[in-house]
Amino acid sequence: EPEVTQTPSHQVTQMGQEVILRCVPISNHLYFYWYRQILGQKVEFLVSFYNNEISEKSEIFDDQFSVERPDGSNFTLKIRSTKLEDSAMYFCASAGGNTEAFFGQGTRLTVV
Amino acid sequence: GNSVTQMEGPVTLSEEAFLTINCTYTATGYPSLFWYVQYPGEGLQLLLKATKADDKGSNKGFEATYRKETTSFHLEKGSVQVSDSAVYFCALSDRGYSTLTFGKGTMLLVSP
Repeated sequence: EPEVTQTPSHQVTQMGQEVILRCVPISNHLYFYWYRQILGQKVEFLVSFYNNEISEKSEIFDDQFSVERPDGSNFTLKIRSTKLEDSAMYFCASAGGNTEAFFGQGTRLTVV
Repeated sequence: GNSVTQMEGPVTLSEEAFLTINCTYTATGYPSLFWYVQYPGEGLQLLLKATKADDKGSNKGFEATYRKETTSFHLEKGSVQVSDSAVYFCALSDRGYSTLTFGKGTMLLVSP
């Protein structure tokens, strides 16, 4: 069964450092998303990506965040200068034209 | 804007008990409704969905009916198992592939 894969599963970084979270969406999907879940809180939408550009973003997705689909298979989320409050589980998801979103296992980001 | 409200957890049940987790929503138009499940240490998995009023989604003994008149999508299971212990998220999207709005999640704890 096709699945969304995310790497790494856990990333620890120092405050102020840049991190890149990686995702490989399901191959024939067209819509790509990043969500995050701060420990004990709800899952929050960050950004959606379609046709090689951002289609929607939330207030959380400020200038510190960027997304890229560098090679037609990977989908990355970059945080330029991490803050303690960026510590969270980050989920990548993808969807086809008529399907619901399928989520990856998540990357737990810990900023120290 | 869209919003989802779920009952507060944790919900603590004995094995074979009946489960209901309430979910109500606010949305414009006719959203698709979903229940996602997050087992300990894992990512989000789609449990079931319904795309139009009066549809019933079902999977693994869980059911939920899309009630437009009460804007609800309550999750039910007739007989829970210890392995059902997880966090359950109600969510909606304007279209199958569009951005998901999640509720806060309800933790279910089932004891033998």
